[in-house]
Amino acid sequence: DQQVKQNSPSLSVQEGRISILNCDYTNSMFDYFLWYKKYPAEGPTFLISISSIKDKNEDGRFTVFLNKSAKHLSLHIVPSQPGDSAVYFCAASAQTGANNLFFGTGTRLTVIP
Amino acid sequence: NAGVTQTPKFRVLKTGQSMTLLCAQDMNHEYMYWYRQDPGMGLRLIHYSVGEGTTAKGEVPDGYNVSRLKKQNFLLGLESAAPSQTSVYFCASRPGPQETQYFGPGTRLLVL
Repeated sequence: DQQVKQNSPSLSVQEGRISILNCDYTNSMFDYFLWYKKYPAEGPTFLISISSIKDKNEDGRFTVFLNKSAKHLSLHIVPSQPGDSAVYFCAASAQTGANNLFFGTGTRLTVIP
Repeated sequence: NAGVTQTPKFRVLKTGQSMTLLCAQDMNHEYMYWYRQDPGMGLRLIHYSVGEGTTAKGEVPDGYNVSRLKKQNFLLGLESAAPSQTSVYFCASRPGPQETQYFGPGTRLLVL
């Protein structure tokens, strides 16, 4: 049973606009969340994370929002750039530093020049 | 630094054959991981190691064995491959428990 879900397999956005990628989770024990980015033929690379004690974390063009009551998080990319085109994975764990990371199925983002 | 490397990049096996996937990292990381990724599913943890000589089971360990004889290498073994083990396998490492994971490029395995 998928504990972390990304219900949108793909998303297309115009360059310069905002990209919003969504992620839902079912396990209330999760309290640390990460986003990874993956290009074809490469492994995932870490993008940004958030702990459950926060509801927002920002790093340059990337912001992650966490709504614990709704068990939902989202990644905002502003402004979107063609180089952002990749597959984005949401992941969660029961504590910061836990070895078991649970991944979503990924959302393929295409930024159109 | 090469980072995390995986050997081979692609392999075709027949059912019942055995093979070993090698993961190597040159970053002196203590923690290493093996994941598999299947269509329609996220990455799932197979086994992991928190230091040389130690291994532990992850979410989907059945059908796999691992060894961490040297700090820089983490081997994933399939003793008798099955078609259900057709997947893309990713290795990852990290310096310690509070750090993020660095992933290798993946090994695509097809079991016929």
